Amino acid sequence: DAGVIQSPRHEVTEMGQEVTLRCKPISGHNSLFWYRQTMMRGLELLIYFNNNVPIDDSGMPEDRFSAKMPNASFSTLKIQPSEPRDSAVYFCASSLSGTSFGYTFGSGTRLTVV
Amino acid sequence: QQQVKQSPQSLIVQKGGISIINCAYENTAFDYFPWYQQFPGKGPALLIAIRPDVSEKKEGRFTISFNKSAKQFSLHIMDSQPGDSATYFCAAGGSQGNLIFGKGTKLSVKP
Repeated sequence: DAGVIQSPRHEVTEMGQEVTLRCKPISGHNSLFWYRQTMMRGLELLIYFNNNVPIDDSGMPEDRFSAKMPNASFSTLKIQPSEPRDSAVYFCASSLSGTSFGYTFGSGTRLTVV
Repeated sequence: QQQVKQSPQSLIVQKGGISIINCAYENTAFDYFPWYQQFPGKGPALLIAIRPDVSEKKEGRFTISFNKSAKQFSLHIMDSQPGDSATYFCAAGGSQGNLIFGKGTKLSVKP
């Protein structure tokens, strides 16, 4: 299994631009999680999906952030418009539905907004 | 109630020494307590995990000690090696399936 695949690995964009991060979960995993990692806040859960349905988006910082999961093998996290304070590493993780077990992270996308 | 508090923030240990990282949680509904290891440029990877029905779990040089009444758990790394230098995260999970993470501990093992 290739694991959780995220793209791009690095993204540098100008303030005000739209940014889209992508994630492919492990086949058979039907829970998907988006995390943001910064030195100050550590790993923050932004949103998670069960069977492609958003369950809890209370961690999404503001309306500029949106996430979709159109099918079991693909999810996107979009920031529009981006701001310098959005600079962070964004991780996607997947697991079997309704359980914390086998929680597997991707390698992350390092976002820099200048 | 959803917080997981982790300490210390950073730790320096000599090669061959014991590294100890502590975590505390508040929500008694949590029933799964994993530790993750993260190397620079990589995502966190599951290292070892414990359920609250046991007080200790050992895998090689890594041991989790769990104190249910105190709502605390800790990671012990015996015979620490320079290759163990990484950031370690404790986490707690429940029936909803999402994990709440501690802030992380950066471990440096000096040769």
